[in-house]
Amino acid sequence: GEQVEQLPSILRVQEGSSASINCSYEDSASNYFPWYKQEPGENPKLIIDIRSNMERKQIQELIVLLDKKAKRFSLHITDTQPGDSAMYFCAAIRGSSGNKLIFGIGTLLSVKP
Amino acid sequence: DMKVTQMPRYLIKRMGENVLLECGQDMSHETMYWYRQDPGLGLQLIYISYDVDSNSEGDIPKGYRVSRKKREHFSLILDSAKTNQTSVYFCASSLGTTNTEVFFGKGTRLTVV
Repeated sequence: GEQVEQLPSILRVQEGSSASINCSYEDSASNYFPWYKQEPGENPKLIIDIRSNMERKQIQELIVLLDKKAKRFSLHITDTQPGDSAMYFCAAIRGSSGNKLIFGIGTLLSVKP
Repeated sequence: DMKVTQMPRYLIKRMGENVLLECGQDMSHETMYWYRQDPGLGLQLIYISYDVDSNSEGDIPKGYRVSRKKREHFSLILDSAKTNQTSVYFCASSLGTTNTEVFFGKGTRLTVV
């Protein structure tokens, strides 16, 4: 079935710099790519998503890019703040077997003041 | 207030005991999910339910079963719990299965001793 690979698993950046997380998927029929942020002890929450008819989407300091040909998508956080420290998950819909939302293993982002 | 509610939040069971995890949502969502979260493995899909009595296996269904008799409730059952089922279990729901936000509950931390 669809696998979603996510790298890196741990990311440490300095406050004010950018952070990038990369994901890849297998199912060419995938058409929806959300990103979730999970703070310690909390549930994952949607922060931004992109559909297959788009290549780029930005919400404030969050930018997502989608390269359908390469089956890759990425999250870029510009001007990181300590409050951005959390676990981030990418996900993709596995369309070949019932539109199941499959997650990557997560990236633990640490923003140092 | 749109919500996915999980009960209980914490649970300790002995190996071999039966476990019932309950989930409710107040958004009239058709689709509901059960995921488990383990360090280094991300969020793994156990079961998905497309509506009442319309359930489908996810990636790791072995040792689990589900029940959805009402649209707003989705239960996860462990018959004869095993120690390797110690995990954090998240219930989630979405309006459909494509291009739609998935809302997560707060999770149930299950320990099997």
